[in-house]
Amino acid sequence: QKEVEQDPGPLSVPEGAIVSLNCTYSNSAFQYFMWYRQYSRKGPELLMYTYSSGNKEDGRFTAQVDKSSKYISLFIRDSQPSDSATYLCAMSLGGDYKLSFGAGTTVTVRA
Amino acid sequence: EAGVTQFPSHSVIEKGQTVTLRCDPISGHDNLYWYRRVMGKEIKFLLHFVKESKQDESGMPNNRFLAERTGGTYSTLKVQPAELEDSGVYFCASSQELAGVNEQFFGPGTRLTVL
Repeated sequence: QKEVEQDPGPLSVPEGAIVSLNCTYSNSAFQYFMWYRQYSRKGPELLMYTYSSGNKEDGRFTAQVDKSSKYISLFIRDSQPSDSATYLCAMSLGGDYKLSFGAGTTVTVRA
Repeated sequence: EAGVTQFPSHSVIEKGQTVTLRCDPISGHDNLYWYRRVMGKEIKFLLHFVKESKQDESGMPNNRFLAERTGGTYSTLKVQPAELEDSGVYFCASSQELAGVNEQFFGPGTRLTVL
């Protein structure tokens, strides 16, 4: 069993739609949960950073962590063509520990 | 502020040859990480430096891989001899804790192709 499971998609939505992404994980010791966005031929870029359970909102992006279910989500509201990218979930045991990544979900927002 | 830089951006070598990848972290970042993504798989951790010391090298696949970070600044990752399965994208990331957050900033990666 993989440590972090993420549906690779691809996911195609019309502009303005809500994009819903999620990951499950097996290691209950994970404390920090992140979502990265990666454009083609670029490195991952941090979008959201959450400690422990709960919700976090930043503009059009909302991250949710449910540690009891070992499940995290990212929602993108009012999606734009510029949101087209690969979204990676990542998690770690501590602040400066290694990251464990999901496989990434490729999202295309159609104009 | 300059981001994490990696060199080369792309390397094509033959099986059995040696390749050295370089990473320059963001200035002042003590933490430096190497990750690798092979085709169709998730990004996987290789190792973590704190300044010049190896904090965690549990992800290094075998002794054909050697990482160094002399003086706690830039880092190199040498693969010798390279095998076909070493092909992939090698990412470097650096971080420094700020207000309880330790964001890892990633470089653009080095795409390694072993023929």
